[in-house]
Amino acid sequence: NAGVTQTPKFQVLKTGQSMTLQCAQDMNHEYMSWYRQDPGMGLRLIHYSVGAGITDQGEVPNGYNVSRSTTEDFPLRLLSAAPSQTSVYFCASSLQGATVGNTQYFGPGTRLTVL
Amino acid sequence: GIQVEQSPPDLILQEGANSTLRCNFSDSVNNLQWFHQNPWGQLINLFYIPSGTKQNGRLSATTVATERYSLLYISSSQTTDSGVYFCAGGTGNQFYFGTGTSLTVIP
Repeated sequence: NAGVTQTPKFQVLKTGQSMTLQCAQDMNHEYMSWYRQDPGMGLRLIHYSVGAGITDQGEVPNGYNVSRSTTEDFPLRLLSAAPSQTSVYFCASSLQGATVGNTQYFGPGTRLTVL
Repeated sequence: GIQVEQSPPDLILQEGANSTLRCNFSDSVNNLQWFHQNPWGQLINLFYIPSGTKQNGRLSATTVATERYSLLYISSSQTTDSGVYFCAGGTGNQFYFGTGTSLTVIP
């Protein structure tokens, strides 16, 4: 049971480049989400999904796209990277979101630098 | 969205000391969790505690849901307790995180 995995661990991009951050979980969780962590600002929700084929925006969705074709995978796409997207990105999953009784599990994070 | 305030923002302790971290929410939440982010960046779930009190070894947490706050107690602190402690609360499908308490335990 690997839990929540993320790839890559580190990435450097140039402004305007695109890339996909991968996230996978093997716990059969319905709910998956992406956060970004910036210094002094805690974690902020980018996008989330409550099941395959269903996604929605969080607090800071601009500049990011997501899709959920399977229960296991929830990739995050940066279409045209900007320096403001330099951050540490965390993927998380739980059985059923922020409802009663659900614990969130986090991946190890991806440190992204946009030059 | 829900605003989450954590205090204190920074804390330096001598090994063996006790501490209390606080988390205030601007609105009611159905789901409240405490996390520890270790120096390598990994986020570890400490407690799921929407109400009441729980204990796990030297750590315990209390949430008073009616007053929208939660406390995390660390007793007999150790250097391995260093890191950032976050609380997060949510309703429905969205979680909101505080900005964390950065704890440094000195030997």
